[in-house]
Formats: sequence, C-alpha cells, structure tokens
Amino acid sequence: DAMVIQNPRYQVTQFGKPVTLSCSQTLNHNVMYWYQQKSSQAPKLLFHYYDKDFNNEADTPDNFQSRRPNTSFCFLDIRSPGLGDAAMYLCATSRDLFQGGSTEAFFGQGTRLTVV
Amino acid sequence: GNSVTQMEGPVTLSEEAFLTINCTYTATGYPSLFWYVQYPGEGLQLLLKATKADDKGSNKGFEATYRKETTSFHLEKGSVQVSDSAVYFCALSEGTYKYIFGTGTRLKVLA
Repeated sequence: DAMVIQNPRYQVTQFGKPVTLSCSQTLNHNVMYWYQQKSSQAPKLLFHYYDKDFNNEADTPDNFQSRRPNTSFCFLDIRSPGLGDAAMYLCATSRDLFQGGSTEAFFGQGTRLTVV
Repeated sequence: GNSVTQMEGPVTLSEEAFLTINCTYTATGYPSLFWYVQYPGEGLQLLLKATKADDKGSNKGFEATYRKETTSFHLEKGSVQVSDSAVYFCALSEGTYKYIFGTGTRLKVLA
C-alpha cells in the first residue's frame, strides 16, 4: 500500500544527457512537490504543483523542469545534468488545505541520481 | 521569513539513554510543526506533528510539544534503541504549501 512511489530508486546519467525522474501517488492529493537533497543537507524545494498550477522557487535553475499530466503523476526533467546535480530527489504530496484533514507532506522513497 | 533551527549533530547515545533534539522556529503566524525521520538511503517519514500551541505529538515513544511562548518543538524519547539511529528533521508549514526544514540532526545509538 505504497502511497508515493518514485521510479527509479537509483539513476545514473551522463553529464549533459537529459534525464527524467517519475513520481506517482495513490493519495489523490492536490499538491505535489519536488525536493532536492544533497548529502547531509536539508531537502530543498525546487517547485510544487497545486493541481495543474506550477509554482517554481525563485532559485531553482532553469535546467530543472517539471510536468504533471494528471493528479497521480509528476515528472522531474533535468535538461542537462551537471556534476552538481547529483543528489537525492524527493517527491512529496500534501492535501489541499481547504479540504481539511492531515497537514503533513507524504514523501516517496527518493531517487538517488548519479551523474558521470 | 520563516525558518527552522535545530541542534547540530551528530548525537551519539547509548541504548536506553534519554534523547532530546532541540528545534526552534521563526514564523509570522501559526504554523504546523513536524518531525520527520530519514533512514539511510530512504525518503522522509513523518514521525509526529502538532498543529496548534500546546499540542503534543507522539509516536513510537517519541514526543514533542508545540511551545508558542518559546517558539520551540523539541523532540524527546525516554529510552532510545539502536533502531532509532537515523537523521531527524524538524519542519514547519504555514499554509503556503511549503514545508521548511531544519538542517537535520543525525542520531547514532550504540548497543
């Protein structure tokens, strides 16, 4: 009964070669997030979707893009990965605040990206 | 802006010792507060939460009380186990669909 599922768990990509990470959820939450987490650091928010509305963080590089084709799926596209983009990428979801209920974010297990 | 400050690690304890990990926050309103735990190579799991002042969150022997007067949400456990070894993140959310995390505290419990 996994709720937020990320694929793959481990991804190796070549320097400059586009890569896509995927996330799916069974919670039917309106909000989906992508975080980048480097070793021994806090997760850093890249962007989030409220339904189909995309919200980019001001300091997220243009190299990072995202797509959300429907409620259940969200993708992170890295157009030209650099060595500095090697990190754990975490997908999360949360409920619409106006629906009430739980306020926490639910995280997937993450995708560890290696750039060679 | 909003922020979360938590004590630096690593924290190393013997099994059955008492644990405290300090967390303080800065927020303009009335945030919800969370503790997440991250095991090696895994995502973040919610450990406990509190949504208003004086609420106490608890789970698996861990507790934290939302203290508005001291803007704190310290994590405690009376008797830690080796299996509690992980990184613990304090976080807040203030209704903007953003979760702000502290830098994490690594806990190592020795048998």
